[in-house]
Amino acid sequence: HSALTQPASVSGSLGQSITLYCNGTRSDVGYFDFVSWYQQHPGKVPRLIIYDVIKRPSGVSTRFSGSKSGNTASLTISGLQTDDEADYYCCSYSDETIIVAFGGGTKVTV
Amino acid sequence: QEVLVQSGTEIKKPGSSVRVSCTTSSDRVTNHAISWLRQAPGQGLEWLGGIIPIRNRTNYAPTFRAKVTITADESKGTVFLDLTSLESEDTATYYCAFEEAGYPTRFDPWGQGTLVIVSS
Repeated sequence: HSALTQPASVSGSLGQSITLYCNGTRSDVGYFDFVSWYQQHPGKVPRLIIYDVIKRPSGVSTRFSGSKSGNTASLTISGLQTDDEADYYCCSYSDETIIVAFGGGTKVTV
Repeated sequence: QEVLVQSGTEIKKPGSSVRVSCTTSSDRVTNHAISWLRQAPGQGLEWLGGIIPIRNRTNYAPTFRAKVTITADESKGTVFLDLTSLESEDTATYYCAFEEAGYPTRFDPWGQGTLVIVSS
């Protein structure tokens, strides 16, 4: 059971834009602007692609963008490419009960 | 950027303990934090806890407080993860990750991962 809720899978076509959602609560996503997203290809180490809700680390494509509304964080991937096919995990700082919460992950199929 | 190098695969019996290490040559690490996370086969990511070496301050996920101990040897630039009373459910890849002060949940970079297999 994950603290944050993500859809199990999302699919899209090449060049399309898709949005992944991450549902939290007032104790995590809704309260803190410390939401991050990780991309993980099969058998690989997770890679940070968004932090602090909207910020992109150096080297991450501008096709990835993050946002938040209320208790829900979102990751939009625009101009979908075959290499975007991966698992995506959202992560949020939480209150003292959990501290750091992850979603169960969304598998993106292109 | 920091590079984190983890120790190798471990195969352990149920009920035993294991130590996983994470080493960096960067001095920045001691002033920030190293977190430990795990991923069971086919499953998602879980945060276990973290340490700020220079302050010897640790935080643990409540679920793992009885299972995990995180320590650091600043002189060697190494952080350790100790897991006790291993069960088959602890079979997972364990990752260390750098966490810059002031940026909680910004885990970057990650170590290469250490596979821990618990089997009789």
